[in-house]
Amino acid sequence: DVKVTQSSRYLVKRTGEKVFLECVQDMDHENMFWYRQDPGLGLRLIYFSYDVKMKEKGDIPEGYSVSREKKERFSLILESASTNQTSMYLCATQGFNTGELFFGEGSRLTVL
Amino acid sequence: GNSVTQMEGPVTLSEEAFLTINCTYTATGYPSLFWYVQYPGEGLQLLLKATKADDKGSNKGFEATYRKETTSFHLEKGSVQVSDSAVYFCALSVYSGGYNKLIFGAGTRLAVHP
Repeated sequence: DVKVTQSSRYLVKRTGEKVFLECVQDMDHENMFWYRQDPGLGLRLIYFSYDVKMKEKGDIPEGYSVSREKKERFSLILESASTNQTSMYLCATQGFNTGELFFGEGSRLTVL
Repeated sequence: GNSVTQMEGPVTLSEEAFLTINCTYTATGYPSLFWYVQYPGEGLQLLLKATKADDKGSNKGFEATYRKETTSFHLEKGSVQVSDSAVYFCALSVYSGGYNKLIFGAGTRLAVHP
């Protein structure tokens, strides 16, 4: 079974703090994704990566950056957290050829 | 463009009732279609999928048929259980920019009461 592990389930940060959310997968998949999930809006793609050191902006990249130094690890960075970034963040990896996504359990971030 | 529209929730049912959650899509090309489920406090997990027209995906008593003529992929279950209470997401996958991009609907919350 594919395992996608997100480092923190719950975080509380203050406005202006730098936030790191880490995601690790164990299936050697090339594609990895970061989504945010908000009620009534579904999942919105922030960034994705198709290879080490490669990244592409998704639909809502503003205020976020990412890092992919190793194939199994994909990090989401909030350089200066703001209250409107309070959300659930979901990491996913993508199976070969099928398009299917495998998700981590999510990281619920609250910015005060 | 590509998009997914699913019925708004919450959907509230009694145990053993019949469930339908509507999903329609707009897409260029020939998308694959998915239903994902999110149980409380967890990430999303794949419930079922269909990769071409007239395919039926099924799992855990849930079914959905890929209807190209009506651009729909409605989720059904004949008899729901309390343990089916969750948020259900319809999604499509299109090949764009060198990878399979998934586009999700807004999600439908299902609450099943004993």
